[in-house]
Amino acid sequence: DIQMTQSPSSMSASLGDRVTITCQASQDIGNNLIWFQQKPGKSPRPMIYYATNLANGVPSRFSGSRSGSDYSLTISSLESEDMADYHCLQYKQYPLTFGSGTKLEIK
Amino acid sequence: EVQLVETGGGLVQPGRSLKLSCVASGFTFNNYWMSWTRQAPGKGLEWVASITNSGGSTYYPDSVKGRFTISRDNAQNTLYLQMNSLRSEDTATYYCTRAQLNWGQGVMVTVSS
Repeated sequence: DIQMTQSPSSMSASLGDRVTITCQASQDIGNNLIWFQQKPGKSPRPMIYYATNLANGVPSRFSGSRSGSDYSLTISSLESEDMADYHCLQYKQYPLTFGSGTKLEIK
Repeated sequence: EVQLVETGGGLVQPGRSLKLSCVASGFTFNNYWMSWTRQAPGKGLEWVASITNSGGSTYYPDSVKGRFTISRDNAQNTLYLQMNSLRSEDTATYYCTRAQLNWGQGVMVTVSS
């Protein structure tokens, strides 16, 4: 099974900060990765698909990148509405596996 | 607009069964693989099952293999998850997804005596 090691598990940042969350894949997943945002009591919302593609309606301050087996979600300038949990998912092979999640709080 | 509406959740005793349904609209259902993903209270996301667009192939993680069955009725635009031999650790919100890019609102399943 492919393990997705997500870091950090939680973080606090100020409005306007640049924020980066990372998932490291234990095996090659190509770019077969989705980043989700999830707010309390809501369904996960896809933000980035195929590692670097912005999903429909997602603000341009969000971006995805890859460096080797490390996949990153970056928020260029943090806004209050970005407070949420973030999850990564690899869909290269079954079983599909998620990262353990990152809780992003606003200072 | 893609819509996925799950029903069928509730409280069930350990060892019993429950069947979830997901009615899809806003897209050509039989063109898409579909999946179920769950989230235990306060925990992360866990993929539960996937099915090809024809229904000819299904996939499960070891945690539910042999207990859960995913199926679909393309004529009714409906996805199902039959859950047998339920355990307390199956307590979660269950989401229906279209290729992991569209998600329903979720339905809660509580397994408790």
